[in-house]
Amino acid sequence: EAQVTQNPRYLITVTGKKLTVTCSQNMNHEYMSWYRQDPGLGLRQIYYSMNVEVTDKGDVPEGYKVSRKEKRNFPLILESPSPNQTSLYFCASSFITGGPYNEQFFGPGTRLTVL
Amino acid sequence: DQQVKQNSPSLSVQEGRISILNCDYTNSMFDYFLWYKKYPAEGPTFLISISSIKDKNEDGRFTVFLNKSAKHLSLHIVPSQPGDSAVYFCARGTSYGKLTFGQGTILTVHP
Repeated sequence: EAQVTQNPRYLITVTGKKLTVTCSQNMNHEYMSWYRQDPGLGLRQIYYSMNVEVTDKGDVPEGYKVSRKEKRNFPLILESPSPNQTSLYFCASSFITGGPYNEQFFGPGTRLTVL
Repeated sequence: DQQVKQNSPSLSVQEGRISILNCDYTNSMFDYFLWYKKYPAEGPTFLISISSIKDKNEDGRFTVFLNKSAKHLSLHIVPSQPGDSAVYFCARGTSYGKLTFGQGTILTVHP
C-alpha cells in the first residue's frame, strides 16, 4: 500500500529534551516536506526537500532541523524543544515533474506536546 | 503575510444542499490552487485543483471556481453529504511542490 508513515503518532516531552519524529514514504517520491498545523493558522511549511541531500527552509523553520540521507526518509529533529512547538505535525511527499500539479500525500500526523 | 485566506472558520449546511467554501489570495504569482480535505486523526487528502489558466474545474460533486480579477477561489459541493463533514483547506501551489495553505474551514453537513 502506498503511504507516508510517521512515528510516533503522539509524544509528550519536556522543554529541552531532544527528539526526532520519523517520516518514511514508499512511493519513490523526490519531494518531501514537513508542516505544522495550529488553530487559526492552517498548515505552515517547516522544511522541504527536493531530493537526497537537498533540503531548504519553509515558512517556519526556527527550532527545527531535517536531514535527507535516503530518498524514502525525512526525519524532523527538535534539538531543544520549547512549549511553542506544541503542535500537530504532518509529513508529506510527492513526485516532481515540473508540469502540472503533483498531488502531495500526507502522513497521519504526530501530536507533539512540550511541557 | 498570509497569502491565502479562508475567512469563514466554519460552515453548516443541510444534507442535499450546496456547500460553498471560499478562499481569497493576495499574490498573483502562482501556478495553481488546490483544495484539501481533512478528517480528524488523519492527514489531509487532495480533493481538487485548478490551474491559473482556467476558471472552473469539476470532479463529480466538487467544482472549483477561480475568479482572477477578484483574487477569489471557491469550492462548491453539490449535493452535500454527511460524509463531507471535515476541515477544508485551500492552498496555492508551485510546480516544484511548495504549498501555502489557508487557515481551514470546518464544514458540517447535517442529515
